[in-house]
Amino acid sequence: EPEVTQTPSHQVTQMGQEVILRCVPISNHLYFYWYRQILGQKVEFLVSFYNNEISEKSEIFDDQFSVERPDGSNFTLKIRSTKLEDSAMYFCASIRDRGLNQPQHFGDGTRLSIL
Amino acid sequence: AQSVTQLGSHVSVSEGALVLLRCNYSSSVPPYLFWYVQYPNQGLQLLLKYTTGATLVKGINGFEAEFKKSETSFHLTKPSAHMSDAAEYFCAVSSNSGYALNFGKGTSLLVTP
Repeated sequence: EPEVTQTPSHQVTQMGQEVILRCVPISNHLYFYWYRQILGQKVEFLVSFYNNEISEKSEIFDDQFSVERPDGSNFTLKIRSTKLEDSAMYFCASIRDRGLNQPQHFGDGTRLSIL
Repeated sequence: AQSVTQLGSHVSVSEGALVLLRCNYSSSVPPYLFWYVQYPNQGLQLLLKYTTGATLVKGINGFEAEFKKSETSFHLTKPSAHMSDAAEYFCAVSSNSGYALNFGKGTSLLVTP
């Protein structure tokens, strides 16, 4: 079964540095999502992306965050100047089409540790 | 606005016993409801979903859930727990399967021999 893949599995970064988290959604999927899970807390929605545009974003997704689909396969989340509170598990998800009542398929996540 | 409340951050059952994980939702529009399971160091795997139609939905690994609009609930059950069911379980609500999922805080299921 096709999977959403995320790299790296663990990223350690110094506070203030930029970090890029990478995701390869399922190949025929059209909608892409980023979620995060701070340790011990619930999974929180960050942003959704369709047709090279952000379609929905949460209050968490402020100016330090950006998303991009640089080519036909990758979907990236960039954090410009990381803070300690950005330490979390970041999940990418994808879906083929909003109208098909299909569930979002999640990757295994990237654990981001800010030092 | 939509939200989910999962009662009980930790649930412990004996192997072979009934599993009941509670989820109540709040939604101003007809909800789409989901249960996801997370095994250690893994991503979120869909167990089952309710969108429209039959209110009792069956999922993978013997789990099922019933959508009760009058009670705004979507509790997850399994008749007989197995050791491999030990994991974190998340209930989520959305206005559509393609829109942002609002997750509950999760319930950690422990299965004892």
